[in-house]
Amino acid sequence: EADIYQTPRYLVIGTGKKITLECSQTMGHDKMYWYQQDPGMELHLIHYSYGVNSTEKGDLSSESTVSRIRTEHFPLTLESARPSHTSQYLCASRRDSLYEQYFGPGTRLTVT
Amino acid sequence: GENVEQHPSTLSVQEGDSAVIKCTYSDSASNYFPWYKQELGKRPQLIIDIRSNVGEKKDQRIAVTLNKTAKHFSLHITETQPEDSAVYFCAARGANAGNMLTFGGGTRLMVKP
Repeated sequence: EADIYQTPRYLVIGTGKKITLECSQTMGHDKMYWYQQDPGMELHLIHYSYGVNSTEKGDLSSESTVSRIRTEHFPLTLESARPSHTSQYLCASRRDSLYEQYFGPGTRLTVT
Repeated sequence: GENVEQHPSTLSVQEGDSAVIKCTYSDSASNYFPWYKQELGKRPQLIIDIRSNVGEKKDQRIAVTLNKTAKHFSLHITETQPEDSAVYFCAARGANAGNMLTFGGGTRLMVKP
């Protein structure tokens, strides 16, 4: 089924650890996005990509990095996790020629 | 860049009543305005959207209106049901680089049975 997949769905990790949040979509979408959201609160864009080998920082300053080596895959990496990184991370995508943007199920990250 | 304001931040209605959520935007070149519904612990789901060449769009109990002159758009939910309880986000896609969506701050809607 065409969808956006995120793994892990939940992650509890200690301070200083390196983590990678995975995002894959099987809809053939060109554009992909990462948002940070505290539960029920505003969505903040942290990274986006127009396509393969294209990555840009969003409005919210983030200590994370992203890569886009394959169209369907857009992982987000935190080199050294801190308690301030505790949040929900939502991946989204859309086709360049269409307006609609769809979200993945999210990864809820807790850094202790 | 684009700025989207959303009101109210919380809204409580009785089942069967109507609910209205309003958003204003700053970029007059914005041309796409979606609404998302996010239930507790779930992903935001696109429920309705409108483009700048249309003034109103309806889908069963939900409708969206757009006033380009005043730069505001609204979500209307009629005959509300408890399952409508969620956080609703409006967004606008402006003429910024990358044509990103800018989201409003969200409205927590509670429908009391």
